Amino acid sequence: EVQLVESGGGLVQPGGSLRLSCAASGFTFSSYWMHWVRQAPGKGLVWVSRINSDGSSTSYADSVKGRFTISRDNAKNTLYLQMNSLRAEDTAVYYCARISSGSYFYWGQGTLVTVSS
Amino acid sequence: QSALTQPASVSGSPGQSITISCTGTSSDVGSYNLVSWYQQHPGKAPKLMIYEGSKRPSGVSNRFSGSKSGNTASLTISGLQAEDEADYYCCSYAGSRVFGGGTKLTVL
Repeated sequence: EVQLVESGGGLVQPGGSLRLSCAASGFTFSSYWMHWVRQAPGKGLVWVSRINSDGSSTSYADSVKGRFTISRDNAKNTLYLQMNSLRAEDTAVYYCARISSGSYFYWGQGTLVTVSS
Repeated sequence: QSALTQPASVSGSPGQSITISCTGTSSDVGSYNLVSWYQQHPGKAPKLMIYEGSKRPSGVSNRFSGSKSGNTASLTISGLQAEDEADYYCCSYAGSRVFGGGTKLTVL
């Protein structure tokens, strides 16, 4: 059974940093591109970042470029999102998702990041 | 990249059919056969309902169908049931990924 389990969310002050993790199981993690998608409270889904299967290629939404870094450790079956210089508008539930055939077939349960003083 | 345009809300009675539209541009919906649709119940993670415009993942009811014409994709739900009440999001490839703003479906 495919499982994606996010962790690392919490309350952080503006300007602070946080690292999210997404532990994958039930499939060959190193074969899949992975994405992060976020959802602000009461708002819609927004794409954040993606990484290819071996970690050599990444892409970011303009809103997080230069502040967030996506990475992966295929030996540990884990996806990461390092978030620096956090702003109030980064407050959201962050989901990791596995993509295939251009679509998100599997999602984690999400982890809440709250940026507030 | 601008968000895809969806109606904020739609409603229907049990047994009826409804259609949710998703309008993009020639740079996203119109250029790729990679539109997907997601159902999200409150407090839950999204669930894939349609991929590659019109394909259903294993386990998704055949009451759900997808189509595309030009720059607009559509999700149709036939034989509405109470459990279909949820938020629905479209998503398209556009170099990266772009989502619609979401549509709240109410089953009357």
